[in-house]
Amino acid sequence: KAGVTQTPRYLIKTRGQQVTLSCSPISGHRSVSWYQQTPGQGLQFLFEYFSETQRNKGNFPGRFSGRQFSNSRSEMNVSTLELGDSALYLCASSLALTGSGDEQYFGPGTRLTVT
Amino acid sequence: AQSVTQPDIHITVSEGASLELRCNYSYGATPYLFWYVQSPGQGLQLLLKYFSGDTLVQGIKGFEAEFKRSQSSFNLRKPSVHWSDAAEYFCAVDPNTGFQKLVFGTGTRLLVSP
Repeated sequence: KAGVTQTPRYLIKTRGQQVTLSCSPISGHRSVSWYQQTPGQGLQFLFEYFSETQRNKGNFPGRFSGRQFSNSRSEMNVSTLELGDSALYLCASSLALTGSGDEQYFGPGTRLTVT
Repeated sequence: AQSVTQPDIHITVSEGASLELRCNYSYGATPYLFWYVQSPGQGLQLLLKYFSGDTLVQGIKGFEAEFKRSQSSFNLRKPSVHWSDAAEYFCAVDPNTGFQKLVFGTGTRLLVSP
């Protein structure tokens, strides 16, 4: 079974631009979560999508948004990029058979650099 | 405040020696507990998880972890470290809020000396 895939793997953007990152979950997984990893703040939860609905959101500004499609693929969007948005963005998928606690499987991440 | 603490930022272990990485959590009820490993430039790989039951759980790559409710700890262990174990290790908690969400510790970077 193929793992979680994320595209693109690397991205360089300029301040003020917007960016869209894509995540394809493991086949059959219905939940997709996004995390931001930076040296200063570590790994932080952005949001979770299940059945095309955002179920939970972390403490990030509204510039960070996402969506999930009917095939469970997910995208996240960051508008009006700031230098501090430079990070590794990780996507994770899970079966979500229960509300919490399912194993989350991570993709390789998208490295975003904002100049 | 709810948190996950990994007190050791770096640990150096000789190849073949035993390893213990510490993790403490601060949550009202017993959450779901995980350990992940991240190699440079890679995503996170799940090593093991604890939901309930036996407090000693076995994972992949020879790792195990012990849950101690009285100490709110979930320490990761390996009896004999290999050079390929050098990576960053993250303890994570799912607070059991009804959604899929992980709260991570700050990570411990493991260096393996020959």
